[in-house]
Amino acid sequence: NAGVTQTPKFQVLKTGQSMTLQCAQDMNHEYMSWYRQDPGMGLRLIHYSVGAGITDQGEVPNGYNVSRSTTEDFPLRLLSAAPSQTSVYFCASSFDTGSGASGNTIYFGEGSWLTVV
Amino acid sequence: AQKITQTQPGMFVQEKEAVTLDCTYDTSDPSYGLFWYKQPSSGEMIFLIYQGSYDQQNATEGRYSLNFQKARKSANLVISASQLGDSAMYFCAMREAFGNEKLTFGTGTRLTIIP
Repeated sequence: NAGVTQTPKFQVLKTGQSMTLQCAQDMNHEYMSWYRQDPGMGLRLIHYSVGAGITDQGEVPNGYNVSRSTTEDFPLRLLSAAPSQTSVYFCASSFDTGSGASGNTIYFGEGSWLTVV
Repeated sequence: AQKITQTQPGMFVQEKEAVTLDCTYDTSDPSYGLFWYKQPSSGEMIFLIYQGSYDQQNATEGRYSLNFQKARKSANLVISASQLGDSAMYFCAMREAFGNEKLTFGTGTRLTIIP
């Protein structure tokens, strides 16, 4: 059981480049989300998904794009990287408690360190 | 809107002493959940403990307990018999329960255990 797997762990981009952060989970969780963590701040929600084919914006969605074609995968795309997107990115997954499923734990990946120069 | 406040940016505690990390929250939703996460220097987010708003008893997990005072809207983390390995950032987070899995995080407390 791998849990939540994020790749890559480290990445350096030039301003204007695009890239995709990958996230995969093997726990059959309906709910997946992406957060960013900046120095001195807690995690802030970028985008989330409540199931395959359904995504929505979080607190800081600008400059990011997501899709959810399968239950397992939830990639985060940076369309045109900017230095302000230098951050640590975390993917998370959990059961959807609104569906009646049990489980109070939200599982996080190990994080992806992204630097935009 | 939900809000989490952690007022202790940093704490220094002697090894083997107990430590309390403060967390207050603000929400108008009667159904919510409160989480504590540990983030060591390696960067991963480690789940420690969870408290549901309707739970009658305070949550406990090994050396971790959550002092939940609903009327005061506080959810303090208590670590008993602190160890050097407890040195890390600690985040309090809240979600609206039952269908909304989005977490709102506090700014964290950096805990340093002194030998």
